[in-house]
Amino acid sequence: AQKITQTQPGMFVQEKEAVTLDCTYDTSDPSYGLFWYKQPSSGEMIFLIYQGSYDQQNATEGRYSLNFQKARKSANLVISASQLGDSAMYFCAMRGINTGNQFYFGTGTSLTVIP
Amino acid sequence: DARVTQTPRHKVTEMGQEVTMRCQPILGHNTVFWYRQTMMQGLELLAYFRNRAPLDDSGMPKDRFSAEMPDATLATLKIQPSEPRDSAVYFCASGSGPAAQGAYQPQHFGDGTRLSIL
Repeated sequence: AQKITQTQPGMFVQEKEAVTLDCTYDTSDPSYGLFWYKQPSSGEMIFLIYQGSYDQQNATEGRYSLNFQKARKSANLVISASQLGDSAMYFCAMRGINTGNQFYFGTGTSLTVIP
Repeated sequence: DARVTQTPRHKVTEMGQEVTMRCQPILGHNTVFWYRQTMMQGLELLAYFRNRAPLDDSGMPKDRFSAEMPDATLATLKIQPSEPRDSAVYFCASGSGPAAQGAYQPQHFGDGTRLSIL
């Protein structure tokens, strides 16, 4: 079975500082993809970044980077130079080769950026 | 940018009424998902389709919920009769199957339907 765990219900970060949101996963799939989504207070779910299990390098998208540690089964999201607009819920998700199209989501982390 | 379109954005209705939510997936996407999000339960998968065929609807209360894809450009989620406990935000998402070995495509979400059953 696939499982995504986000252990931080809420996080605070000072504006302009970096923050790491934790995500661990459990899967027996030999191949899988890991995703992060942002949900601001307006409610939409926004895709941020993707990491494939076979990728040799950590994914980066602008101020977002993914600290992928395959042996530890962790895929932490790092947001650099936090902005007030980064305040939102963040969800980690996974899909695997044996689960086809289905995605598995964590329970989310609420990030608040303090001015 | 291509987007998943959901209608209506908001719906308020009385208990017992039928509710129909619609979703237009991104052109070319072959999978469609319906999710329900509440504060208590978080994000729950209700049903999903691949190439318009239902693959899994185990998360959906069968007695009152139904999901269909009459064509590739339209997915519907119906609740009949609706109950106050159905109040939630319902998201539709679309995506593609796995690409090359080891490469997976993200789901893209619509803006959701905020449903309130009085």
